[in-house]
Amino acid sequence: KAGVTQTPRYLIKTRGQQVTLSCSPISGHRSVSWYQQTPGQGLQFLFEYFSETQRNKGNFPGRFSGRQFSNSRSEMNVSTLELGDSALYLCASSLAGTGLSGANVLTFGAGSRLTVL
Amino acid sequence: GQSLEQPSEVTAVEGAIVQINCTYQTSGFYGLSWYQQHDGGAPTFLSYNALDGLEETGRFSSFLSRSDSYGYLLLQELQMKDSASYFCAVRAPYQAGTALIFGKGTTLSVSS
Repeated sequence: KAGVTQTPRYLIKTRGQQVTLSCSPISGHRSVSWYQQTPGQGLQFLFEYFSETQRNKGNFPGRFSGRQFSNSRSEMNVSTLELGDSALYLCASSLAGTGLSGANVLTFGAGSRLTVL
Repeated sequence: GQSLEQPSEVTAVEGAIVQINCTYQTSGFYGLSWYQQHDGGAPTFLSYNALDGLEETGRFSSFLSRSDSYGYLLLQELQMKDSASYFCAVRAPYQAGTALIFGKGTTLSVSS
């Protein structure tokens, strides 16, 4: 079955612009999480969505927002881009619930690499 | 707050055994996971421990001690392809629910 698909893979923006990233989860996965990855900082939790509802949000400013659609696809938006927003943005999907087959097993997409100039 | 500590770098030679430790401080705990990420690639799931003890999956094993808030990933019979970053992650209470919180990763370099 198809994996997690993220678009676009690479993009370059300038400070002050806004960006929208898209994520299509594995078919049947209803939970989508977003992470920001920068060198030396690991994966920083951004959001988690389930059934179109944001269940959690990480410690990021309000410029970072997201949503999930009825088909489980998700988008995240960053407004008023800053240089420090340059990063790899990873989306991951998982089965809902707990246990090995549930929320602890994330399948990641290849990421969207954002460069802010 | 939630925090996970793991070494930033580990080096080893082919055929050796290496252990990557992870200690965590979280307000609750719902399992410790390990992920592997090759350069330029996506993180991929390796293993998960919900209860104390050792879980073995081929050359990789993962251990958890909840009383010590500690776990480790053990890689045996190292191969060059094992050179990658390894992340421990804890599912912990977060706002209204839980979130999978990752450590900063350990870069493993395997040489011949």
